[in-house]
Order: sequence, then C-alpha cells, then structure tokens
Amino acid sequence: DGGITQSPKYLFRKEGQNVTLSCEQNLNHDAMYWYRQDPGQGLRLIYYSQIVNDFQKGDIAEGYSVSREKKESFPLTVTSAQKNPTAFYLCASSIRTASLSNEQFFGPGTRLTVL
Amino acid sequence: KQEVTQIPAALSVPEGENLVLNCSFTDSAIYNLQWFRQDPGKGLTSLLLIQSSQREQTSGRLNASLDKSSGRSTLYIAASQPGDSATYLCAVRLFMNRDDKIIFGKGTRLHILP
Repeated sequence: DGGITQSPKYLFRKEGQNVTLSCEQNLNHDAMYWYRQDPGQGLRLIYYSQIVNDFQKGDIAEGYSVSREKKESFPLTVTSAQKNPTAFYLCASSIRTASLSNEQFFGPGTRLTVL
Repeated sequence: KQEVTQIPAALSVPEGENLVLNCSFTDSAIYNLQWFRQDPGKGLTSLLLIQSSQREQTSGRLNASLDKSSGRSTLYIAASQPGDSATYLCAVRLFMNRDDKIIFGKGTRLHILP
C-alpha cells in the first residue's frame, strides 16, 4: 500500500524532554511537510522540505527541528524549547512544490501530550 | 497577507439534503485550491484539487468550484449521508518568492442528522 505513515499515534512527554515524531512515505514524493493543529485553529506549518538534505522553516519553527537524510523520511523533533508542544501533529507530502498540479497527501497524525 | 476563511464554523443538516460549504481567500494569486475532509483524531483526506486555471472539479457526489476573481470556492455535497459528517477544510497554495506556502482555513464542522 502506498501512503504516509506516522508514529507513534500517541506520545507523552515530560517537560524538558526532547521527542522525535516519525514520518515515512513510500509515494516517491519530493516534498514533505510538518503541520501542527490546535483546537479552533487551522493547520500551521512548522517545517517543509523540497528535496533531500534541504528544508525550510515554516511559520512556527521555533522549538522544533527536522532532518531530511532520505527522500522517504522526514522526522520532527520537538525540543524542550517549544513552550506549548501539546497538539496534533500532521505530516504531509506532495510530488514537488514547483508544480501547479501537485496534491498534498496527509498521514494519520501523532497526538503529543506534555505531562 | 493571504487569509483563508470558512463560514460557518459548524453546520447541521438533515440526511438527504444537498449542501454547500464556503471558502474565501483574500489574495486571488493562488496556484491551486484543495478541499480536505478530516474525521475526529485523524489525518486529512484529500477530496478535490482545483488548479488556478480550472473552474470546477467533480468526484462522485462532490463538486468544488473556484472563482479566483472573487476569491471564493464552494464545495457542493449532493444527497448528504450520515457518513459525510466530518470537518471540511480548504487550503490555497501560493508561491511567495522561493517559498511554497499552503494556507489552510479553520474548517467547517459538518453534522448530517439521520
């Protein structure tokens, strides 16, 4: 099956800890994205990557870090510097960004709760 | 600054009715617009993608229209079913300098009454 997988589905973190959320896709997509979703708010872009070994900050990158060592993987680390990390995190991918027809596909999400 | 608005925030309709969900955006210089469905606690499922050169797209009971000049898109759902209950989000894609931006609305929470 082709698609995007995220793990874990639920994640609990103690204050002061760093945690890493996994995102993997087997769609052969060039571009990958991380969003954060909070109740009553739209999706907000954290980071995105257009190609391996390259990534750009989104609107709310502070307290987060990413890597893109492989085309199919785009892990997100939530660091202790992120002051309010409890949220639903969504990973997405698309064929490539500089295309008029590219469609975004989303993973099932990871719900992070800070204890 | 591009803003995407979806009104109403929530909507309840009886089963079997046709309905329209609205999406408006402030800057008409978009590359495409995408409608998504999100079930509680789940990721987003893509429903329809309309390119900037298109006026509408259809998939089954769904029809999405795009009017760039007025900054509006609608999602029409025919013969609604309880399984259509979900949150529907629209998102516009634009390129600003070298940045790829996708701006999401906050969604319309739809409840179909059996």
